[in-house]
Amino acid sequence: AQKVTQAQTEISVVEKEDVTLDCVYETRDTTYYLFWYKQPPSGELVFLIRRNSFDEQNEISGRYSWNFQKSTSSFNFTITASQVVDSAVYFCALSEPTNFGNEKLTFGTGTRLTIIP
Amino acid sequence: GAGVSQSPSNKVTEKGKDVELRCDPISGHTALYWYRQSLGQGLEFLIYFQGNSAPDKSGLPSDRFSAERTGGSVSTLTIQRTQQEDSAVYLCASSLVGGETQYFGPGTRLLVL
Repeated sequence: AQKVTQAQTEISVVEKEDVTLDCVYETRDTTYYLFWYKQPPSGELVFLIRRNSFDEQNEISGRYSWNFQKSTSSFNFTITASQVVDSAVYFCALSEPTNFGNEKLTFGTGTRLTIIP
Repeated sequence: GAGVSQSPSNKVTEKGKDVELRCDPISGHTALYWYRQSLGQGLEFLIYFQGNSAPDKSGLPSDRFSAERTGGSVSTLTIQRTQQEDSAVYLCASSLVGGETQYFGPGTRLLVL
């Protein structure tokens, strides 16, 4: 069975500090996708990134960057120069292909990030 | 364009009553998913629809839960004889096709008294 572990339940940092959210996954599939979603206080899950298992290049998008390491089954997320608007719960997710042709998402338990002004 | 919309945003019901939750996916998206987010269980997959194909119901927790998708667009999740453990946020997501990125709606917060 697939599993996603986000060991950090809650993190608090002072504004402008960098912060890294950890994600470790387990899967027997050779082809899979990894995701990060942000859930602000409003409750809606906001898509941040989707990464193919064959693409281990790190990705940077503005203040966000992602480090995918297949050797350690990790897909960590770093926010540089954090801002108060980054305060949210962040979920890492792993797709699971099914016989129905869909990609069922298995989510981690989330990390609640609080940025202190 | 409009995102995924869900209604109602909040629903309070009494134990034993039936409830219907509605999801309107992003226009043009053929795949639709329902998830449940609760304190004890986190985010769980419930059901998946793709076009006119048979749905993937593998995540439905009991036979009190059912869902349908009419005309390949709007979906309704029905919970019969609600129990207190059904209290959760029910999230709907859609994607262009199955396997593509899923975009989520704001959810319906269900409270069973």
